[in-house]
Amino acid sequence: DADVTQTPRNRITKTGKRIMLECSQTKGHDRMYWYRQDPGLGLRLIYYSFDVKDINKGEISDGYSVSRQAQAKFSLSLESAIPNQTALYFCATSDSGFTSNQPQHFGDGTRLSIL
Amino acid sequence: SQELEQSPQSLIVQEGKNLTINCTSSKTLYGLYWYKQKYGEGLIFLMMLQKGGEEKSHEKITAKLDEKKQQSSLHITASQPSHAGIYLCGARSGGSNYKLTFGKGTLLTVNP
Repeated sequence: DADVTQTPRNRITKTGKRIMLECSQTKGHDRMYWYRQDPGLGLRLIYYSFDVKDINKGEISDGYSVSRQAQAKFSLSLESAIPNQTALYFCATSDSGFTSNQPQHFGDGTRLSIL
Repeated sequence: SQELEQSPQSLIVQEGKNLTINCTSSKTLYGLYWYKQKYGEGLIFLMMLQKGGEEKSHEKITAKLDEKKQQSSLHITASQPSHAGIYLCGARSGGSNYKLTFGKGTLLTVNP
């Protein structure tokens, strides 16, 4: 089983719909992240959470919200989806560890299409 | 904010050839990470470099961080079709901030 699991893997929906993408991890990491990937723009950080009570906006948080339900679960919501939110979305985790240079580990992504 | 520029953007090589991908930062690097992504799939962590001059290898892939800590290179020796994919570099710009900035990626195609 994957250490970082994203559901659904693919989703097609209509403009204006509310959508939730879910991420769960079995790595025991305290830090979790949501990114989106767009052709030509690379990976951009949407939100990140260092623990259950610590949630922070990334560089492109407008139009998104998150919920950290438990250490192992971090969900991303699009309250009213719009076509320019069509992208590949990734969840990632990292350990706090004794140093700050812990790598992030990624899920397989959710391909979201908004018509 | 820190920016990472990867070159080349895409690369096509014949199986068995060596190749190099570069990642140049606009600021000093405090941690440089290399990832590989298959089309439509997640990122697989390859290596992490922290110290200027550091070099790490995994199978036929070697990554280096230059002494001035503003550039890293990824070198693949005797490329194979299994090396094909998108290679991304990610960097931490310092402080207690654990966020990563990523380059836009290099698409590698290896022809048999």
